[in-house]
Amino acid sequence: GAVVSQHPSWVICKSGTSVKIECRSLDFQATTMFWYRQFPKQSLMLMATSNEGSKATYEQGVEKDKFLINHASLTLSTLTVTSAHPEDSSFYICSVIAVSTDTQYFGPGTRLTVL
Amino acid sequence: SQKIEQNSEALNIQEGKTATLTCNYTNYSPAYLQWYRQDPGRGPVFLLLIRENEKEKRKERLKVTFDTTLKQSLFHITASQPADSATYLCALARGTGKLIFGQGTTLQVKP
Repeated sequence: GAVVSQHPSWVICKSGTSVKIECRSLDFQATTMFWYRQFPKQSLMLMATSNEGSKATYEQGVEKDKFLINHASLTLSTLTVTSAHPEDSSFYICSVIAVSTDTQYFGPGTRLTVL
Repeated sequence: SQKIEQNSEALNIQEGKTATLTCNYTNYSPAYLQWYRQDPGRGPVFLLLIRENEKEKRKERLKVTFDTTLKQSLFHITASQPADSATYLCALARGTGKLIFGQGTTLQVKP
């Protein structure tokens, strides 16, 4: 399966600051990556689809101006949480999709805590 | 609206027995379904994918079935081991790659 990394694995920030999370596909080129969010004791919820070289598409209810996504290369997508608030504290997980098999591989996740 | 339900929040079984997890869905016609394992504080790990035209898939001690008439998938772990203890997630997609997840079933295998 694909190897996906995320950085950082955890981050603590003050309310009002911005935080950038990186997602890298280490062993194949990914034209499409996905960003999910998982609150405690809940399942994963898709936030947005990151498309290389074009704008991300966001799911209903996800503010595109708050969660900025940049997919500048075939191996890297970044998610920036702008003006973070405590309610943004969550586990953010990215994934890549192997188009030939439809299989989706997930990164290890980034735990964001906003104080 | 579309809904995915994994029937048990928690399942406790004895080592060596077969664990059976259920995933039911409504108001949805998935092209394929995937099962993942998630350990605390970690991202999901892919286990199996089954397509709408497939009835059953196997991989080592794992077996998944898919009944599009009943709108149900069953996930089996045979000869279960304590190391199989984790949360198991089912996820459905239509083919765009956008996955909709169930809430998960936490399996505890006791020695």
